[in-house]
Formats: sequence, C-alpha cells, structure tokens
Amino acid sequence: ILNVEQSPQSLHVQEGDSTNFTCSFPSSNFYALHWYRWETAKSPEALFVMTLNGDEKKKGRISATLNTKEGYSYLYIKGSQPEDSATYLCAFRVKTSYDKVIFGPGTSLSVIP
Amino acid sequence: DGGITQSPKYLFRKEGQNVTLSCEQNLNHDAMYWYRQDPGQGLRLIYYSQIVNDFQKGDIAEGYSVSREKKESFPLTVTSAQKNPTAFYLCASTFRGELFFGEGSRLTVL
Repeated sequence: ILNVEQSPQSLHVQEGDSTNFTCSFPSSNFYALHWYRWETAKSPEALFVMTLNGDEKKKGRISATLNTKEGYSYLYIKGSQPEDSATYLCAFRVKTSYDKVIFGPGTSLSVIP
Repeated sequence: DGGITQSPKYLFRKEGQNVTLSCEQNLNHDAMYWYRQDPGQGLRLIYYSQIVNDFQKGDIAEGYSVSREKKESFPLTVTSAQKNPTAFYLCASTFRGELFFGEGSRLTVL
C-alpha cells in the first residue's frame, strides 16, 4: 500500500515567523510530487510540481525541496503572513495508465497576526 | 473564467436515500476524478474517467456510482449502499498531470 505522510498535522505560528513542514512518500515508482495550498471554502490550488531528485522550487516566500532517493519533500514559508493560513497538501504521483495521485493528510497552518 | 463547478456545496440526506453530486468543467479536460476527504486522512479516489463514456473504480468505489455521458460533466451518486457517506467530496480534472479542483460538496447524512 502506497502511503504519503505529512508532519506536523497542524501548526500555529506568529506573523513573521518562518516555518517548514515535511512530506514523506515511497521512494519507489516515483513520477512526481505535488504541493497544493487549500484555503477554507476554496479549491486546492497548485503550488509546485517537482519531478527530479534535488529539485528546488520557489514562489515568492514559499519554496520546496525534493529528495526522491529518501522519499521526502520540505515546504518552507519565509516570514509567514496571515494570508498564508491554509492547509498544505502534498501528493505523490505514480506512473500508471492514469494519473494515479496519492495524497497526504495535509498540514494545517494558522498564522497569528 | 474556466474552472470546475460543484453543486450543491452543502447537502443533507436521510439514511437510505441516494443523492447525486454535480461536477461540471469548462476546461476541455479529458480526465475527471472524484475524491473523498475524511478528517485526518488524505484525499481518497472514488472514481475516475479518462474519456467520455468510460470510467473506472478508484480505491473506495463501493457504494458510489458515476456516469460520463458528456466531456463536461461527471456526476457522482452516493447510494444507500455507502455505509458511511458523511464526508467532503472533491471533483477534479487533470491536464498534463496537474489536478484542477472544484470547491467541494459537503454531504451530511442524518
């Protein structure tokens, strides 16, 4: 059974703090790793797609790294703002006949002003 | 604006009743998906469809049914056979491996 784990489950930080969370996934049958940001009452929104070991992606204050050999990805948020409050999902894509995607349970981030 | 529209956002149903959740997309994507979310768990795949008039069971298909008569539409029926239907349901489509989601439907069985 392919399993994706995320830690921590939830996080509360003060505005201006930097934070990071982890996604762990199987190191075999890797095709891609996705990060999504999901705000309450909205659709999950794609942040990054990462495909190569050692990939680093950045969008504004948010960045992510990927280690496919050991099966983990980190998401970093520098100088958290209240608008960063959301659930961050990672999803592991397996190469199959269809886009099989296995989601982690998410990390819920609350940024306190 | 292109996107995925799910309706209704909230739905209550009595035990023993079937209910259908709507999912419409105007993105011209071939593949569509239904996921279920329960507290503390990742999104789990119920059904997917890669092309019109074809669909396949996902990991938790029991108690659900779908149809794909049009490219734009992929409705999900939660039948009375689904033992624990209270959940949040997300519809998605894909393009080049990226998932595009609707805003979800929350079903509560009373």
